[in-house]
Amino acid sequence: AQSVTQPDIHITVSEGASLELRCNYSYGATPYLFWYVQSPGQGLQLLLKYFSGDTLVQGIKGFEAEFKRSQSSFNLRKPSVHWSDAAEYFCAVVEGGNEKLTFGTGTRLTIIP
Amino acid sequence: DADVTQTPRNRITKTGKRIMLECSQTKGHDRMYWYRQDPGLGLRLIYYSFDVKDINKGEISDGYSVSRQAQAKFSLSLESAIPNQTALYFCATSEPSGLAGTDTQYFGPGTRLTVL
Repeated sequence: AQSVTQPDIHITVSEGASLELRCNYSYGATPYLFWYVQSPGQGLQLLLKYFSGDTLVQGIKGFEAEFKRSQSSFNLRKPSVHWSDAAEYFCAVVEGGNEKLTFGTGTRLTIIP
Repeated sequence: DADVTQTPRNRITKTGKRIMLECSQTKGHDRMYWYRQDPGLGLRLIYYSFDVKDINKGEISDGYSVSRQAQAKFSLSLESAIPNQTALYFCATSEPSGLAGTDTQYFGPGTRLTVL
């Protein structure tokens, strides 16, 4: 069965600092991987997704993620965070052909001035 | 106007009551989903529907039922609510992409349900 792990429940970062949120998956073949963001009081919005090709994926709002097969990881990065990036971030995986998303438990990001 | 709307946004009810949560979308998508979100557990799939005549159970369907009244409407019912169904419920929609499993899902704002 596919699963996805987000080891960090809560991360605090200073505004302007770089950010990396971790995501690890367990699945034998190449999974389809997603990052969603949930701003306070809102639904989830897709930041980016990976299913093949270039392992470095660019998304919206200045985010990027890198698929590393050797580490079973799909970490989300941003070079300089803004106060508006404070939100909860979810990594999700789809087993090829399954068409159902399995979400991680989320990482809550706090931005301090 | 929002593309995916959920009503009500907040609901408090008592154990044993029947509750219906409604989802409407103007995106013209065939696929619709219901998830519940619990702190520390992420989102879990309750039911999904790939078209009006298609209903499928998700990971945690026990205690829930759904109705797909039209392409644009997908309702979730709790026939007899219990306290451990207290959660944040999200509806989502998607359109099949060329590669199965790579759909982008579009989420509504959520319904916060409290069962006393």
